[in-house]
Amino acid sequence: QKEVEQNSGPLSVPEGAIASLNCTYSDRGSQSFFWYRQYSGKSPELIMSIYSNGDKEDGRFTAQLNKASQYVSLLIRDSQPSDSATYLCAVRLSGGNNRLAFGKGNQVVVIP
Amino acid sequence: DGGITQSPKYLFRKEGQNVTLSCEQNLNHDAMYWYRQDPGQGLRLIYYSQIVNDFQKGDIAEGYSVSREKKESFPLTVTSAQKNPTAFYLCASRELSGEDTQYFGPGTRLTVL
Repeated sequence: QKEVEQNSGPLSVPEGAIASLNCTYSDRGSQSFFWYRQYSGKSPELIMSIYSNGDKEDGRFTAQLNKASQYVSLLIRDSQPSDSATYLCAVRLSGGNNRLAFGKGNQVVVIP
Repeated sequence: DGGITQSPKYLFRKEGQNVTLSCEQNLNHDAMYWYRQDPGQGLRLIYYSQIVNDFQKGDIAEGYSVSREKKESFPLTVTSAQKNPTAFYLCASRELSGEDTQYFGPGTRLTVL
């Protein structure tokens, strides 16, 4: 089982709609979870971090965490063309070495 | 400006050559990381360092080497032993206390000719 899985293919959403991205992880001891946005040819930039079960909102972004189900999600409300990018889910692994494990990413395309 | 710099932005290497990618940070971060990203793939950890003069192998360390002689610098050497080095290389850093966030440099795109 991969440490972090993002299985959905490219996601096309109309402008103004909600984009929903999902991520599962295998390390039950993980306590820190992150969503990064990566534009084509650029480096990842952090958009959300979440540490507790439930929802965390920041502007148009909402991260949801369910540790019992080992599931993290990201919602993008009122999607804009500038949201077109690849979104990477990252999980800090337990074990004290401060390593992050990354999923392969989900590409989001917002259609004007 | 505080941040992470990587140089060069683009690098071309002939087969059999060693090349060194630079990573410098002025954020006073303790830990530094090197990742490799291939098209359509997530980030894979090559090496990381949590303290000066110490570093650990990541998941794909074969064919790579690093040094951490200064807190702000963590250069990566891609050796001729790395059979498929063409990729996008990303350096990152973070504090080990306080903010639990890893920040990335702009990346170096390495192409083997």
